[in-house]
Amino acid sequence: DVKVTQSSRYLVKRTGEKVFLECVQDMDHENMFWYRQDPGLGLRLIYFSYDVKMKEKGDIPEGYSVSREKKERFSLILESASTNQTSMYLCASSPTSGSTGRYGYTFGSGTRLTVV
Amino acid sequence: QKEVEQNSGPLSVPEGAIASLNCTYSDRGSQSFFWYRQYSGKSPELIMFIYSNGDKEDGRFTAQLNKASQYVSLLIRDSQPSDSATYLCAVTGLTGGGNKLTFGTGTQLKVEL
Repeated sequence: DVKVTQSSRYLVKRTGEKVFLECVQDMDHENMFWYRQDPGLGLRLIYFSYDVKMKEKGDIPEGYSVSREKKERFSLILESASTNQTSMYLCASSPTSGSTGRYGYTFGSGTRLTVV
Repeated sequence: QKEVEQNSGPLSVPEGAIASLNCTYSDRGSQSFFWYRQYSGKSPELIMFIYSNGDKEDGRFTAQLNKASQYVSLLIRDSQPSDSATYLCAVTGLTGGGNKLTFGTGTQLKVEL
């Protein structure tokens, strides 16, 4: 089975801190995604990547950046954390370009981030 | 209009009944359709996908797709308390290409003893 691992389940950070959320997948997937999930708003796409060093903005990229230096690792960076970034962050992956429609995503276990 | 719409619920059904979860989508170009189950505090897990009109069955789950009506549904037969969760509908083929899934906000299902 594909495994998508997020480094932290729970994280508490202070306003203004730079925050790194790490995601690693072990099945050589090309596509990786970062979503946040909030009550009533569902899953919203922040950034995604189809290949190493490649990134594309999703629907809500403001206040976030990403890094993909290796195929298996996709990092989400909150440049200066704010309280409105308190949320559940979910990383996901899918095999290859165009394959999401056949396989869907595999999700990591999520990181619940609280910014105080 | 939201791209993928679901009734937020909660939908309450008695144990052993059929639960019917519905989803509509706005883009006629959508190609594939997924149902994810998400328990409280956990991440979504894939339970069904469908891309052809009609029904697709897998155990107690049946996915139904009607592209003309832009409608996809999930039936859960013989509902169990362990089915209590939020069910997310997701589609590909919306703006930006087929690699991304766009999710509905989910329907909360409660199966009561």
